Amino acid sequence: EPEVTQTPSHQVTQMGQEVILRCVPISNHLYFYWYRQILGQKVEFLVSFYNNEISEKSEIFDDQFSVERPDGSNFTLKIRSTKLEDSAMYFCAHGAGGADEQYFGPGTRLTVT
Amino acid sequence: RKEVEQDPGPFNVPEGATVAFNCTYSNSASQSFFWYRQDCRKEPKLLMSVYSSGNEDGRFTAQLNRASQYISLLIRDSKLSDSATYLCVVNLSGYSTLTFGKGTMLLVSP
Repeated sequence: EPEVTQTPSHQVTQMGQEVILRCVPISNHLYFYWYRQILGQKVEFLVSFYNNEISEKSEIFDDQFSVERPDGSNFTLKIRSTKLEDSAMYFCAHGAGGADEQYFGPGTRLTVT
Repeated sequence: RKEVEQDPGPFNVPEGATVAFNCTYSNSASQSFFWYRQDCRKEPKLLMSVYSSGNEDGRFTAQLNRASQYISLLIRDSKLSDSATYLCVVNLSGYSTLTFGKGTMLLVSP
């Protein structure tokens, strides 16, 4: 199973602060995804990223969120002004695209206080 | 509208038991189907893809019924290490977005 690493493993931030979550997927995969899971709830899709562009996003992924692949390897999710309800596990995933399976990183636990 | 529904659980079974998980999905045009397992506070890990003809991997058997929009997972000879939450996951839209069910927790006891 291909590895995906995510940093940090746990981020604590105050409401209103900006956070950047990082993911380092296998470089030869073209499709990357962010999902989140609020404690006790189901995993929810946020955004998919292909060829350095957003290919699909959910209603959750509003103007407070952005994604980038700044240096061709790291894949980042930025939340501009965090809210209490942004507290969740954020998972990066990658895959071959289309209907193929996706492989998840270990996640970043974001706690907004 | 609930897109991917699973048995609420939890399922408590003794070692060696056979356990079945059920899942239904809302979009008849869905393209692909998976079972993932998730340990507490860990990432979802792919257990197996589900094919129209059904497929088996060791003690695990997955079935798909497109007409009924129903997916199942059967675990035979349960081990303590099978204790986890089992997630039914569907590509509902034809894009690469995965839609997850809420999961069914399995607890295997000695």
